Amino acid sequence: DVKVTQSSRYLVKRTGEKVFLECVQDMDHENMFWYRQDPGLGLRLIYFSYDVKMKEKGDIPEGYSVSREKKERFSLILESASTNQTSMYLCASSPGGTVHGYTFGSGTRLTVV
Amino acid sequence: AQKVTQAQTEISVVEKEDVTLDCVYETRDTTYYLFWYKQPPSGELVFLIRRNSFDEQNEISGRYSWNFQKSTSSFNFTITASQVVDSAVYFCALSGGGDYKLSFGAGTTVTVRA
Repeated sequence: DVKVTQSSRYLVKRTGEKVFLECVQDMDHENMFWYRQDPGLGLRLIYFSYDVKMKEKGDIPEGYSVSREKKERFSLILESASTNQTSMYLCASSPGGTVHGYTFGSGTRLTVV
Repeated sequence: AQKVTQAQTEISVVEKEDVTLDCVYETRDTTYYLFWYKQPPSGELVFLIRRNSFDEQNEISGRYSWNFQKSTSSFNFTITASQVVDSAVYFCALSGGGDYKLSFGAGTTVTVRA
């Protein structure tokens, strides 16, 4: 069964901490994405990557960075967590070549206190 | 820029009623793709359908059907004879041109009561 796995389902961090959210996919997909989901706002794209070591900003990249050292792993980094980054974070992947639907992970609900 | 509008925030129905979810999109691309996803209470988004801009045929899959109308920039989703298991948040999404990114609507929460 193909999967996108996010390392934590729930996470509580303190303001100012550096936070790492990990995402691993086992489908050999070229494309990986990080979204955050907030009530009434839907899913908003933070960063995405079309290949190893490549990254591009999405619609709301401020306060975040990413790392993709291996094809299967895409990490989201909150450099200095703030309370307005409390949210549900969703990782997704898709094959390259054409526009496909995404496969999503189960999400990480991050609370910054 | 791509934009997806799901005007209905929440819909509540009794089991066996039909439910139609509206999705209106904006894009300047002539080639684009439209999607619907379901997010059950467990949280993981599940892909339901993809349509490209050149295929306006309506589609039916079991109790689900989709109506794509380019003239009104709409891609509506109907659940026929709803069931409690249909309770979820449903998202419409759009990808334009050769872009792999999806732009999502705000989602519609569907509650089906027994």
